[in-house]
Amino acid sequence: GESVGLHLPTLSVQEGDNSIINCAYSNSASDYFIWYKQESGKGPQFIIDIRSNMDKRQGQRVTVLLNKTVKHLSLQIAATQPGDSAVYFCAESKEGGKLIFGQGTELSVKP
Amino acid sequence: NAGVMQNPRHLVRRRGQEARLRCSPMKGHSHVYWYRQLPEEGLKFMVYLQKENIIDESGMPKERFSAEFPKEGPSILRIQQVVRGDSAAYFCASSPSSGWSAFFGQGTRLTVV
Repeated sequence: GESVGLHLPTLSVQEGDNSIINCAYSNSASDYFIWYKQESGKGPQFIIDIRSNMDKRQGQRVTVLLNKTVKHLSLQIAATQPGDSAVYFCAESKEGGKLIFGQGTELSVKP
Repeated sequence: NAGVMQNPRHLVRRRGQEARLRCSPMKGHSHVYWYRQLPEEGLKFMVYLQKENIIDESGMPKERFSAEFPKEGPSILRIQQVVRGDSAAYFCASSPSSGWSAFFGQGTRLTVV
């Protein structure tokens, strides 16, 4: 069936370290994926996206990797900061643009 | 350029009352999506609308829930005869077209007492 799942519910890292958040998806026909950050009491905030014709995309301090062979997506955050503490969701864009979200990974950054 | 605006931010309703949640998309965005988020869960798609049209309502409960996006004014998510299980955060997102990433509002937190 359609689903997007995350490997770990929580991730704790030291400030300054790199963070890696993983996500698996089940629909091999999916062609567009997005990572969102959600802070407590706020709406999801767009971080970075990637289309299936790409393996990697970089933004400011963030990199998304897509492995279509194993249907796996990851978000890498370089030099993690306390302000990066939040819940991170991967989302798969379906027909019409509706998003299928994973359960989320809570990132906690220790000073 | 204002983002997606939702109001109210918090809404308390007694069981059996009606809840109306409003969403004004970003300027230039004609695609609106509504999602529901239960505590400590991911967002679940409810409905996708364009101006005056419901495109996909596959995530909407069959009863009590309705949505509209009129030619003028905000999109409205309406919940009739609310029950405690309707308590959740409801998020609206908009995009300029279906192939682009959607931007979210801050949500309306509905509490049914």
